[in-house]
Amino acid sequence: QVQLQESGPGLVKPSQTLSLTCTVSGGSISSGNYYWSWIRQSAGKGLEWIGRIYSTGGTNYNPSLKSRVTMSMDTSKNQFSLSLSSVTAADTAVYYCARVTTWKYLPSHLEYWGQGTLVTVSS
Amino acid sequence: DIQMTQSPSSLSASVGDRVTITCRASQSIRTYLNWYQQKPGKAPKLLIYGASNLQSGVPSRFSGSGSGTDFTLTISSLQPEDFASYHCQQSYSASHTFGQGTKLEIK
Repeated sequence: QVQLQESGPGLVKPSQTLSLTCTVSGGSISSGNYYWSWIRQSAGKGLEWIGRIYSTGGTNYNPSLKSRVTMSMDTSKNQFSLSLSSVTAADTAVYYCARVTTWKYLPSHLEYWGQGTLVTVSS
Repeated sequence: DIQMTQSPSSLSASVGDRVTITCRASQSIRTYLNWYQQKPGKAPKLLIYGASNLQSGVPSRFSGSGSGTDFTLTISSLQPEDFASYHCQQSYSASHTFGQGTKLEIK
């Protein structure tokens, strides 16, 4: 059974960089069958797709966040990571990592999710 | 960006009711539409992918339909555990986007 677990600081100061890691167990992130994604959810709001990374290192980002987002992978640790720079209070949210399953040869649905981690941006 | 609009934003219903939630895309997404259920304090759970494909382990009272721009999630007979929020997501474009969510509450 695939499991994902987010980790990182729960508090980040404004203008600094938010950094989170997702550790995957029960499957290899190097598998070419899957993509790996980050999603966030502000309190009482809907889900916001942040982006995804493939085993080759290729990425796609939400255009509204693209200038501040970087995703990377560490296959030796079976982890992938999110960096979000120049954060403000608007970036306060629960951040989820998830595995993306392909369908009809395209990245499709988020089949496995981490439990989520709350990141608060405050001085 | 493809915009996804769900309706209604909230809905009150009773156990045993048939419920339909709608998701509309700002342009055609063929059948690249997924549905998730989320309970308070928990991560979302995949219900339906590809507009109408039931994820393994999900009860058959859940069904999805639609193509192009208009999609529906139907719960045929509401159970107590179905009271939750529901989110649609398009996976047609390079940037996947979610609807704003629908909160299903007990009447």
